[in-house]
Amino acid sequence: NAGVTQTPKFQVLKTGQSMTLQCAQDMNHEYMSWYRQDPGMGLRLIHYSVGAGITDQGEVPNGYNVSRSTTEDFPLRLLSAAPSQTSVYFCASSRTSGPDQPQHFGDGTRLSIL
Amino acid sequence: GENVEQHPSTLSVQEGDSAVIKCTYSDSASNYFPWYKQELGKRPQLIIDIRSNVGEKKDQRIAVTLNKTAKHFSLHITETQPEDSAVYFCAARRSGGSYIPTFGRGTSLIVHP
Repeated sequence: NAGVTQTPKFQVLKTGQSMTLQCAQDMNHEYMSWYRQDPGMGLRLIHYSVGAGITDQGEVPNGYNVSRSTTEDFPLRLLSAAPSQTSVYFCASSRTSGPDQPQHFGDGTRLSIL
Repeated sequence: GENVEQHPSTLSVQEGDSAVIKCTYSDSASNYFPWYKQELGKRPQLIIDIRSNVGEKKDQRIAVTLNKTAKHFSLHITETQPEDSAVYFCAARRSGGSYIPTFGRGTSLIVHP
């Protein structure tokens, strides 16, 4: 198993550009989520999904869109990049059945908005 | 919703000392408490977890304790080594509902050789 795979690992954008961060998992996990990590702020939830066709907003959803057309993939779209979206983005997945299901994280995408 | 507070934000110890990181949670329905370690430039990775029907769990030099009545849980690292230096996150989660785990803000542990 590859686990959770994120692409790209690094990206530099100009303000106003759009892009999609890719996330794929091969563990047949129902739950997938996107976090952003900024210094001193911990992991803040952007969007999450509990299954194909189902998505919901997290703590900081503004400026981001998601879709979940398959169990495996959960892309994150930046609609019009802003410098405030400079961050490290982590995708995570887990099972939903049973209480003791830890999150499995991808390696992250380091995004800089100029 | 759930709120998880984590303290301290930074912890500096000498090699061989013990380190303790504490978290409190607000939702009495939370029943799963994982701890993650994030080394510099890497992904967060699970190091130990505990369920609400267990008071303590150990794995070599690390242990986690849970006090359900007080709604707090702690990570204990004994005989710290420089490779323990990392950011540690606690989290709380309940079964059912949205399954969203709530993370603490993290503790930066620095182990001085």
